[in-house]
Amino acid sequence: DGGITQSPKYLFRKEGQNVTLSCEQNLNHDAMYWYRQDPGQGLRLIYYSQIVNDFQKGDIAEGYSVSREKKESFPLTVTSAQKNPTAFYLCASQSGGDLYNEQFFGPGTRLTVL
Amino acid sequence: AQSVSQHNHHVILSEAASLELGCNYSYGGTVNLFWYVQYPGQHLQLLLKYFSGDPLVKGIKGFEAEFIKSKFSFNLRKPSVQWSDTAEYFCAVKKGFKTIFGAGTRLFVKA
Repeated sequence: DGGITQSPKYLFRKEGQNVTLSCEQNLNHDAMYWYRQDPGQGLRLIYYSQIVNDFQKGDIAEGYSVSREKKESFPLTVTSAQKNPTAFYLCASQSGGDLYNEQFFGPGTRLTVL
Repeated sequence: AQSVSQHNHHVILSEAASLELGCNYSYGGTVNLFWYVQYPGQHLQLLLKYFSGDPLVKGIKGFEAEFIKSKFSFNLRKPSVQWSDTAEYFCAVKKGFKTIFGAGTRLFVKA
């Protein structure tokens, strides 16, 4: 089955630690995205990547970093600089940059900082 | 600031009631519009989308939405909701590679 996988489903971290969230897609999509979902705030864009070895900051990139070394993978690192990292993180992908293409989403990772 | 606004954060309906969820956006020029749905425990998925042509678009599970350009609106409708429509609904606007989401509306349908 084609789709997007995110791991782990739940993640706990101590303050001051960096943590990396995995996102893999086998849809052969060029573009990939990371969002943060908080109650009452919808989805906010952290980073996105249109092609391999290229990525751009979204609206709330501070305290996060990404890499895009392979087309199918777009890992997100939540660093200790992120002031309020406890949230639900969603990864998405999209075929090309056409305006009418929708995004496909993974199941999400719930990160809790203890 | 440019934004996507959803009018209701929580909606409670009884089965067979009609549904209308409001969505307004503040982006000028060409935009493409989407409604996504997140059922409990499931992935966020596309409900319907508009990019050109007939401003009344139909999606899955009997949902439809109407694009009114003059009002910058893209409201979601369903004539008769079912218990299984209980979910969170997100309106979204696409500009280039970026998609901007509204805050979401949680719908609870009472059986």
